[in-house]
Amino acid sequence: DAGVIQSPRHEVTEMGQEVTLRCKPISGHNSLFWYRQTMMRGLELLIYFNNNVPIDDSGMPEDRFSAKMPNASFSTLKIQPSEPRDSAVYFCASSSRAGLSLGTSGRKGTDTQYFGPGTRLTVL
Amino acid sequence: EDQVTQSPEALRLQEGESSSLNCSYTVSGLRGLFWYRQDPGKGPEFLFTLYSAGEEKEKERLKATLTKKESFLHITAPKPEDSATYLCAVQARSSYKLIFGSGTRLLVRP
Repeated sequence: DAGVIQSPRHEVTEMGQEVTLRCKPISGHNSLFWYRQTMMRGLELLIYFNNNVPIDDSGMPEDRFSAKMPNASFSTLKIQPSEPRDSAVYFCASSSRAGLSLGTSGRKGTDTQYFGPGTRLTVL
Repeated sequence: EDQVTQSPEALRLQEGESSSLNCSYTVSGLRGLFWYRQDPGKGPEFLFTLYSAGEEKEKERLKATLTKKESFLHITAPKPEDSATYLCAVQARSSYKLIFGSGTRLLVRP
């Protein structure tokens, strides 16, 4: 089975340019997450979609960042304009979740997030 | 505030030298604790999920255990191919978010 697919794997751009990162989640998964990883801050959640709807974008650092999920098999993360401090590795992850109701008993095996290979972004 | 602390930051072992990695956490009601392995230039690879204190899971040379305050990843007779960064994350009952620790970089020398 294909895992989470991300493109491009590497992106080098100049400050001020628009950058678009792409993600295809695992087929059948209905939750999608965008993360950013840096040496200083580790892995940080940027935004979370459930059934193609953005649920929480509180981790998006600034208005320069935007994310969309037009259908269940595709999502984009856009940075416009890009800045050198945006340089990082951006990961997309997906999981299978029955619904937004979290409950208290937990649903074993349904919340595991599977990560893509990441996009290494360098902004000069 | 939900928080995860991993120790040590880095660990060097000789092949065959068993050891443990620690993940201490504070969370407002644990939904699950996750262990991932990350190789350089790759995304985190899922290893285990633990849900309640006392639970244990094993996979090859790895064994994960969970208490109410911490989790251990025991590595028995490690091989060089076990070299990687091991990440721990927690998920609270009231949230979908994974809170990650900073990881332990493991190097196993032949």
